[in-house]
Amino acid sequence: DADVTQTPRNRITKTGKRIMLECSQTKGHDRMYWYRQDPGLGLQLIYYSFDVKDINKGEISDGYSVSRQAQAKFSLSLESAIPNQTALYFCATSAGTGGPRFFGQGTRLTVV
Amino acid sequence: DAKTTQPNSMESNEEEPVHLPCNHSTISGTDYIHWYRQLPSQGPEYVIHGLTSNVNNRMASLAIAEDRKSSTLILHRATLRDAAVYYCSRNTNAGKSTFGDGTTLTVKP
Repeated sequence: DADVTQTPRNRITKTGKRIMLECSQTKGHDRMYWYRQDPGLGLQLIYYSFDVKDINKGEISDGYSVSRQAQAKFSLSLESAIPNQTALYFCATSAGTGGPRFFGQGTRLTVV
Repeated sequence: DAKTTQPNSMESNEEEPVHLPCNHSTISGTDYIHWYRQLPSQGPEYVIHGLTSNVNNRMASLAIAEDRKSSTLILHRATLRDAAVYYCSRNTNAGKSTFGDGTTLTVKP
């Protein structure tokens, strides 16, 4: 079983709809992250969390919100999806800020 | 603005060494340098990371310039399975990370 699990793996939604992407991990890491990847580009940080009570904005947080329900669960929401939020979304964990990130398999989101 | 830059693509012959460069000219003294690789339809996979000294592991070696403004991922003997997109990133103690746009490595048999 994967250490970092994302659901759903693929999602098509309509403009204006609210959508939630979920992430759970069994690695026991404190830190969790949400990234966005556009074709041909690197990953951009959306939000990150150091523990259940700590949420921080990344470089592209506008239009997104997150919830850290437990140490092992971190969800990303698009309150009102728009077409330019069509992208691959990755959840990741790490044991420390300097330590390596461990990524999930990704969620491919299409907003039509 | 912080920027991490990599060549778009590189080619290598199988069983030859590969040196993948990365420039991170705005890196600060406490930022870590990470390298990941990504296969199609998969999430990025951790390869190696370091702070100041060169690092070796079973997958690769990481050479960090003395001024830390650049680094090089070294695959000692490329195999066909090493064909992937390789990303370098700089990671701050505050939790933020800046990824390059990736280098697509093609390995020729």
